[in-house]
Amino acid sequence: NAGVTQTPKFRVLKTGQSMTLLCAQDMNHEYMYWYRQDPGMGLRLIHYSVGEGTTAKGEVPDGYNVSRLKKQNFLLGLESAAPSQTSVYFCASSPQERITDTQYFGPGTRLTVL
Amino acid sequence: RKEVEQDPGPFNVPEGATVAFNCTYSNSASQSFFWYRQDCRKEPKLLMSVYSSGNEDGRFTAQLNRASQYISLLIRDSKLSDSATYLCVVNRRGSTLGRLYFGRGTQLTVWP
Repeated sequence: NAGVTQTPKFRVLKTGQSMTLLCAQDMNHEYMYWYRQDPGMGLRLIHYSVGEGTTAKGEVPDGYNVSRLKKQNFLLGLESAAPSQTSVYFCASSPQERITDTQYFGPGTRLTVL
Repeated sequence: RKEVEQDPGPFNVPEGATVAFNCTYSNSASQSFFWYRQDCRKEPKLLMSVYSSGNEDGRFTAQLNRASQYISLLIRDSKLSDSATYLCVVNRRGSTLGRLYFGRGTQLTVWP
């Protein structure tokens, strides 16, 4: 199993450009998450999904949109990128059948917005 | 007040040393507790879950004190490969199921 994969690994955007980050998991997990990680800030939840066709806002959702059309995929979109969105983006998934279930992370996408 | 607080370090220890990290959580409804490890420029990975009775996995021992809302991680006989950032993570009843709260991490460097 590949686990959680993310595409692309690196990207440089200009301010105002748009892009979509793709997350895929092959573990049949119901729950999926998008985080951003900035120096000194730790991991912050952007959006999450509790199942196919559902999405919800996390801690820092502004400037991002998400979609979960298929159970295995969770897309994160930036419609008009800003320098403040320069960060490392991690996707995670979880079976979340029990409260003790943990999350499995993808390798991350390093995004720079100029 | 942050959900999870950790001393950011850095901790710099020689090989073979014993090092302990502490973490406090603010919500008494917290139910599940974890330590994750994150290597430089890599994703976080689960190191171990933390159980009420305390648990050990090789050189690593995790302890939970619910009364003080305090979690610890002890690493014995440190190896160079233990150099990483250690994240304290909690889940709690009443939050969205599956929502994890991450500390900012404690950085450890083990030197030869």
